[in-house]
Amino acid sequence: KNEVEQSPQNLTAQEGEFITINCSYSVGISALHWLQQHPGGGIVSLFMLSSGKKKHGRLIATINIQEKHSSLHITASHPRDSAVYICAVSNWDSNYQLIWGAGTKLIIKP
Amino acid sequence: NAGVTQTPKFQVLKTGQSMTLQCAQDMNHNSMYWYRQDPGMGLRLIYYSASEGTTDKGEVPNGYNVSRLNKREFSLRLESAAPSQTSVYFCASTLKGQMNTEAFFGQGTRLTVV
Repeated sequence: KNEVEQSPQNLTAQEGEFITINCSYSVGISALHWLQQHPGGGIVSLFMLSSGKKKHGRLIATINIQEKHSSLHITASHPRDSAVYICAVSNWDSNYQLIWGAGTKLIIKP
Repeated sequence: NAGVTQTPKFQVLKTGQSMTLQCAQDMNHNSMYWYRQDPGMGLRLIYYSASEGTTDKGEVPNGYNVSRLNKREFSLRLESAAPSQTSVYFCASTLKGQMNTEAFFGQGTRLTVV
């Protein structure tokens, strides 16, 4: 079993839909990252969370430490949101390393 | 623009050739990292540098060497490239010496070894 699991692996939705991507982890963490990778390949950090909730524009990230679960939400989705969304956690045992999820490929159709 | 700059963006090598991937950040970050990304797999840490003057092995260091030239620059060297090193390589940096601060990534280097 992977230490960081994301669901779904693939998600196709219509423009305007509310999107939720989930991340569950099984290790003790000091932080959880949500990152975005566009088809061109570059990786951009969206959020870094250790508790609670963060919002940036149409993106919302939440984390429940007790349940070891995080969600990334996109409101009013747009085709430009199409990308791979990756969850990664910083393990208490090794703060220099991230444990990566496999990513969720999101396609938003116009 | 501030951020992490990697060069080159693309490279094709013959088996046995050597090359150095360059990475520089202008955010005064302490820690820098080299990752590789292979299809169907998450990023894997090759080497990291917690601070200027230090380097440590990550998950997949074999076949690679690194140099933290100064606080800004962290290079990755392949001494004798092998087809198994065909991958996309990413450099990253964090302000503090840990991955519980925001990470910034370069645009990636797509390396093919034939």
